[in-house]
Amino acid sequence: DTGVSQDPRHKITKRGQNVTFRCDPISEHNRLYWYRQTLGQGPEFLTYFQNEAQLEKSRLLSDRFSAERPKGSFSTLEIQRTEQGDSAMYLCASRQQDPDTQYFGPGTRLTVL
Amino acid sequence: GENVEQHPSTLSVQEGDSAVIKCTYSDSASNYFPWYKQELGKGPQLIIDIRSNVGEKKDQRIAVTLNKTAKHFSLHITETQPEDSAVYFCAASWWSGGSYIPTFGRGTSLIVHP
Repeated sequence: DTGVSQDPRHKITKRGQNVTFRCDPISEHNRLYWYRQTLGQGPEFLTYFQNEAQLEKSRLLSDRFSAERPKGSFSTLEIQRTEQGDSAMYLCASRQQDPDTQYFGPGTRLTVL
Repeated sequence: GENVEQHPSTLSVQEGDSAVIKCTYSDSASNYFPWYKQELGKGPQLIIDIRSNVGEKKDQRIAVTLNKTAKHFSLHITETQPEDSAVYFCAASWWSGGSYIPTFGRGTSLIVHP
């Protein structure tokens, strides 16, 4: 399978715990995006990388959220001190420099108890 | 920031009918408008997109129209099939940091009855 992959697919955690998600983009895609999607809503942009550089961050990305893409390939999204409001689907997408088509992964569903 | 309104939230049609989904946006700086289809348990998939210098674009049974003056754009699906059943999202995107950054609508659940 050469699509975007995300791990884990599901995560259940208790409030206050830290969680980390991983995204593996399509090979040679130099741009990588993170989104959050809650039930009945469209995806909300969180942050964007070009290679290893984080070039854009939404104000939705509070201090408890941090994303990295250390070698310009896979990326991780960490949420510290999780809150019930963090429960959502976290989507990753990647694309080449051209065209603008973003390819989405299947998402990681986070449930905070 | 950008605000995208999408209507209707649910659309039920008979197989073979046409379906139309409408979106409005607020930021005149937005200049790229993709549409995504999301099936249960999957991530969104791009089905068609349009840029601000084009008024209409077609791809087989799917077409998108854009009115920049009125700040609205629409998705048209003709000859609907049961496999078209899914949630459809519009997005208005602006250019920042070397990429289009999208703001999505809330989605339209399309149900095509056989």
